[in-house]
Parts: sequence; structure tokens; C-alpha cells
Amino acid sequence: EPEVTQTPSHQVTQMGQEVILRCVPISNHLYFYWYRQILGQKVEFLVSFYNNEISEKSEIFDDQFSVERPDGSNFTLKIRSTKLEDSAMYFCASSELGQGHEQYFGPGTRLTVT
Amino acid sequence: SQQGEEDPQALSIQEGENATMNCSYKTSINNLQWYRQNSGRGLVHLILIRSNEREKHSGRLRVTLDTSKKSSSLLITASRAADTASYFCATVPRGGTSYGKLTFGQGTILTVHP
Repeated sequence: EPEVTQTPSHQVTQMGQEVILRCVPISNHLYFYWYRQILGQKVEFLVSFYNNEISEKSEIFDDQFSVERPDGSNFTLKIRSTKLEDSAMYFCASSELGQGHEQYFGPGTRLTVT
Repeated sequence: SQQGEEDPQALSIQEGENATMNCSYKTSINNLQWYRQNSGRGLVHLILIRSNEREKHSGRLRVTLDTSKKSSSLLITASRAADTASYFCATVPRGGTSYGKLTFGQGTILTVHP
């Protein structure tokens, strides 16, 4: 069964460093998302991406964040200058048809900022 | 309270019993979805119910939706130890430019004892 994959599974970085989290969505899906979950808190929406551009973003997704689909398979989330409060589990998700349809989540990348 | 609030926060039952989790939300929705998350893992989509549906079944899962009360319930019948996980409801707003952004609740931690 097709699945969303994410790398790395765990990333440790120092405050102020740049990190890139990688995702490979399901191949025939057209809508891509990033969510994050701070330990013990809700899963929070960060950004949605469709047709090679951001379709929606949350207040969390400020200028420090960017997303890219550099080729036909990868979908990346970059955090330019990490802060301690960026420590969280980051989930990538994809959907075939977007609104009104289920999203398939990857296993997540645990980001620890020290 | 915020969009997508579940109760109870934690539920502990014996194998074979039924588990009922509730979710309330505030805004008009296109659909409501339930997801499961095993400890430290990604989210797995369980079931999606649209705003014009009242009840939906999938195997041992039964979901109801009451849009007048802005609430939903998830019933797991004949629970198994393998059902032990966190369960989240997530809503997709009606209208606007949403590309399927999910707003998650805090979740219910279900423990099924063998």
C-alpha cells in the first residue's frame, strides 16, 4: 500500500541553525500539507501546497518557514533559523483530492532544537 | 473551548467493551474526520463524515455527526488491546478557500486492557 515517507526520523539541531525536513508524498496525490505537534499538545496545521504554490498557511508559518517541491516526488519544509520553541514532531500529509477527502500522514520527524 | 475538543481526555476499558469518544467543534464544517495515533507514530485516518451525513460505519467503528449541536462521536465496538492509541477528531471548514486544512482536537487517550 502506498505511504507517505519522511526523513529524517529524528533531527537534533542547535538554535539558529537551518533545517530541512523531507517528505515523499503518495505519488498520485496533488495536495500536500505540513503539520506539527509540540509534545503534549494538539496537532497544528502549518501550510498546504497545491499546484506548486502555497494555498493556505497558518499564523505559525512565518517568514522563518518555507516549503518547496523541488522535483516530482519530494516535498520539503525548511526552517531558516530554528528556535527552541520549534522543537516538535513535524508531520507531512498528502491528499489525492484535497478538501473533503482524507489525508495520509507520514510517520513524522522529531525535531529537537538545543 | 477550541475547535475540535474531545472528551473524555482519557478512557480506560477492558477488552471486549465498547469505547465512546466525543468531539465538539465551533464553526461550520465541510466534514469531520477521525484519526488514530499510536504512541510516537504518525496519524492514521479512520473515517470521514460529511456535514450532510448523520452516521457512518466502518468495521467496528461507528461515527455520528450532529451539526445542530456541533458534535460528533466515535464508537469502537468490541475493543481490542491493539485499539490502544490516541484518537483525534479533525474538522475541515465549510466554504472559503480551504484546501482541506485540518483543525485537530486535543485527543482522547484510549487504553484497552487485555
